[in-house]
Amino acid sequence: KQEVTQIPAALSVPEGENLVLNCSFTDSAIYNLQWFRQDPGKGLTSLLLIQSSQREQTSGRLNASLDKSSGRSTLYIAASQPGDSATYLCAVKVSTNAGKSTFGDGTTLTVKP
Amino acid sequence: GAVVSQHPSRVICKSGTSVKIECRSLDFQATTMFWYRQFPKQSLMLMATSNEGSKATYEQGVEKDKFLINHASLTLSTLTVTSAHPEDSSFYICSAATGAPNTEAFFGQGTRLTVV
Repeated sequence: KQEVTQIPAALSVPEGENLVLNCSFTDSAIYNLQWFRQDPGKGLTSLLLIQSSQREQTSGRLNASLDKSSGRSTLYIAASQPGDSATYLCAVKVSTNAGKSTFGDGTTLTVKP
Repeated sequence: GAVVSQHPSRVICKSGTSVKIECRSLDFQATTMFWYRQFPKQSLMLMATSNEGSKATYEQGVEKDKFLINHASLTLSTLTVTSAHPEDSSFYICSAATGAPNTEAFFGQGTRLTVV
């Protein structure tokens, strides 16, 4: 059974700092890993999707890496802004089941002005 | 990417009533749809998997008679919370996939259900 863990559970940083969010998973036979953002009371916004054959994906100030062999992914946020404050979730999709994803518990990020 | 529309985005209902949530794939045929639930300050947990034209498969601990799932067409799945109680208040989100192995699943925006 796939288990996904996110560390830290919460993070508070001053504006402008670079930061890293961590996601680990127990079963390396994944199809892809996806990072989402969730604002309080809102739905999911997909940030980055990394296929199992890829090592990283970048979008603007965001960079996500994937190391299947060690069961880890990181989400790097450069020059953080107060608008980045949200909960960040990683979700892992296994190869053997079309569509089903296992989510981590999320990291709640607060960026202080 | 493909679009999945979930409706309503927010709903408030009285205890004892039923509420239906719709999940539509707008530009592709979704053979498989997944329903997740998120409790406050917790992550999303898979409730059930539905395949078009067949009965849904529920995860352990999910009451199938309380959470009715219908996937009658390739573009629509519905989740009906029957005889809702305040403890059913939660965030429900669906995802849809074509069903072929190793294909993408696309998420709806979620429904915030509050039972009063």
